[in-house]
Amino acid sequence: NAGVTQTPKFQVLKTGQSMTLQCAQDMNHEYMSWYRQDPGMGLRLIHYSVGAGITDQGEVPNGYNVSRSTTEDFPLRLLSAAPSQTSVYFCASSYSHRFQTDTQYFGPGTRLTVL
Amino acid sequence: GESVGLHLPTLSVQEGDNSIINCAYSNSASDYFIWYKQESGKGPQFIIDIRSNMDKRQGQRVTVLLNKTVKHLSLQIAATQPGDSAVYFCAEIPFGGATNKLIFGTGTLLAVQP
Repeated sequence: NAGVTQTPKFQVLKTGQSMTLQCAQDMNHEYMSWYRQDPGMGLRLIHYSVGAGITDQGEVPNGYNVSRSTTEDFPLRLLSAAPSQTSVYFCASSYSHRFQTDTQYFGPGTRLTVL
Repeated sequence: GESVGLHLPTLSVQEGDNSIINCAYSNSASDYFIWYKQESGKGPQFIIDIRSNMDKRQGQRVTVLLNKTVKHLSLQIAATQPGDSAVYFCAEIPFGGATNKLIFGTGTLLAVQP
């Protein structure tokens, strides 16, 4: 199993540009999520999905859209990038979300810079 | 990534020594806690967890201690190795919460000196 994969690894955007961060998992996990990690702060949840066709907002959803058309893929879209979205983005998945002990597996991250 | 290590408290230890990393959690109603390890340029990795009805749990070379009275969590690493160099952070889930309710701490950078 490849686990959780993310592309691209690095990206530089100009303010106002749009892009999609890709995330895929091959573990048939029900739950997938997107976090952002900023210096001096803990990981913050952007959006999550409890299954194909179901998504919901996390703590910091503004400026981001998600969709979950398949169990495997959970792309994160930035519609109009802003410098405040400069961050490292992590995708994670777990077998389910119903139990606290459902371990989340994280991808390697995408480092995004918005100029 | 590398920028995660900036602005973080740092614990520097000698190879072979024991390390103790501390975490003050925020919610007295939290009942499940996790320690993660994040190596440079990689995503967080689960190390060990503990429920609030326990005060100690041991894994391979790692021990987590929970003091609910002062809302304090610690991670002890025995015989620290260079491969243990990473950012370590704790996370908590409030009572009744699920994975989408995880609250992450800011982390501590562990630097192992050879």
